[in-house]
Amino acid sequence: KNQVEQSPQSLIILEGKNCTLQCNYTVSPFSNLRWYKQDTGRGPVSLTIMTFSENTKSNGRYTATLDADTKQSSLHITASQLSDSASYICVVSDRGSTLGRLYFGRGTQLTVWP
Amino acid sequence: EADIYQTPRYLVIGTGKKITLECSQTMGHDKMYWYQQDPGMELHLIHYSYGVNSTEKGDLSSESTVSRIRTEHFPLTLESARPSHTSQYLCASSEYKTSGRNTGELFFGEGSRLTVL
Repeated sequence: KNQVEQSPQSLIILEGKNCTLQCNYTVSPFSNLRWYKQDTGRGPVSLTIMTFSENTKSNGRYTATLDADTKQSSLHITASQLSDSASYICVVSDRGSTLGRLYFGRGTQLTVWP
Repeated sequence: EADIYQTPRYLVIGTGKKITLECSQTMGHDKMYWYQQDPGMELHLIHYSYGVNSTEKGDLSSESTVSRIRTEHFPLTLESARPSHTSQYLCASSEYKTSGRNTGELFFGEGSRLTVL
């Protein structure tokens, strides 16, 4: 069964600290992995998209890594800010069809305290 | 920022009412989607469309219906709302390329929070 599991479910850190969110998946055949940020009551916004051949991608203070062999990804946030408080969702796309099916994780709820 | 808009953002209605959630995008994307999201849960695909006059049901069974008469417009309709329909509804769009590298990046609207009393 194709699944996307994220950990931890929730995380609280102090402003200025770094943190790492995890995503494990069993989706096969793999096409790409995406990380989204979703503020409370808003729609998700794309942070990164990585294909099989990419093992790291950065977007400002966000750095995503991908290990396609172990089917794991992480999202590292550097020097956290209050505005980083949000849910971070891992999404994996398969190659089962031309357009690819998306499998969503439940997200990690990050809270940054001052 | 993504040019995809949803209205209304919030809606509280009584059981049995008919409602339509609007979704419009100005990016010329062929593919559009409707997702349902409950607190702390993953997004579930309820409808999608490859283009004009194309609509398909998603993974999660839904009593809602959709239409795609224009590329930019993908409304969702509930003929008779019930409390079980209370949820957040997210519209999204993406490019559909028949060749070449396609990231299929999704652009989401801000969502419509529906509460049925």
